[in-house]
Amino acid sequence: AQSVTQPDIHITVSEGASLELRCNYSYGATPYLFWYVQSPGQGLQLLLKYFSGDTLVQGIKGFEAEFKRSQSSFNLRKPSVHWSDAAEYFCAVVLSSNTGKLIFGQGTTLQVKP
Amino acid sequence: DGGITQSPKYLFRKEGQNVTLSCEQNLNHDAMYWYRQDPGQGLRLIYYSQIVNDFQKGDIAEGYSVSREKKESFPLTVTSAQKNPTAFYLCASTPAAGGTYEQYFGPGTRLTVT
Repeated sequence: AQSVTQPDIHITVSEGASLELRCNYSYGATPYLFWYVQSPGQGLQLLLKYFSGDTLVQGIKGFEAEFKRSQSSFNLRKPSVHWSDAAEYFCAVVLSSNTGKLIFGQGTTLQVKP
Repeated sequence: DGGITQSPKYLFRKEGQNVTLSCEQNLNHDAMYWYRQDPGQGLRLIYYSQIVNDFQKGDIAEGYSVSREKKESFPLTVTSAQKNPTAFYLCASTPAAGGTYEQYFGPGTRLTVT
């Protein structure tokens, strides 16, 4: 069955440090992949998406992600974290191309130290 | 401005009462989704609808009901049969199932049942 795993439940980084959030998926075909961000008590906002083509995708707020088929991974990165990046991050994959259903990872909470 | 609205933001009910959560979108999207979010569990799909007057059960539909009488609206009723209804509920929409797959989220409703 398709699944999405975010191995890190909680990550703490210092402001200005680099960030990498891990996402691994289990999917038979070429996946459609997303990263969303959620501030406390809010809805989800799309950071970036990968459908095909260049495996390094750029998103909003200075985030990027790299699709690695050999590792079944779609890790999210940012070179320099800002305090406002503290939030919960979700990786998702399209479960069904007919219905548009997504399957989400369990999320990674990012804390930023001053 | 186009978007998804959910109301109310906070909702309190007594055990045994049915409660309806509102979700409205003015994005002209065909497909709409309801998710439940609990700490540490990511998002779980309750119901989804790809077209007016049609909807499908998601992974955790028991104790919930929906309707889709208008394209813009997809209300969710949490019935007294739902054993553990206290959670954060998110509504989402996408232009058309089988299209871009990118889901747009509302701000969420936090339901507390005591």
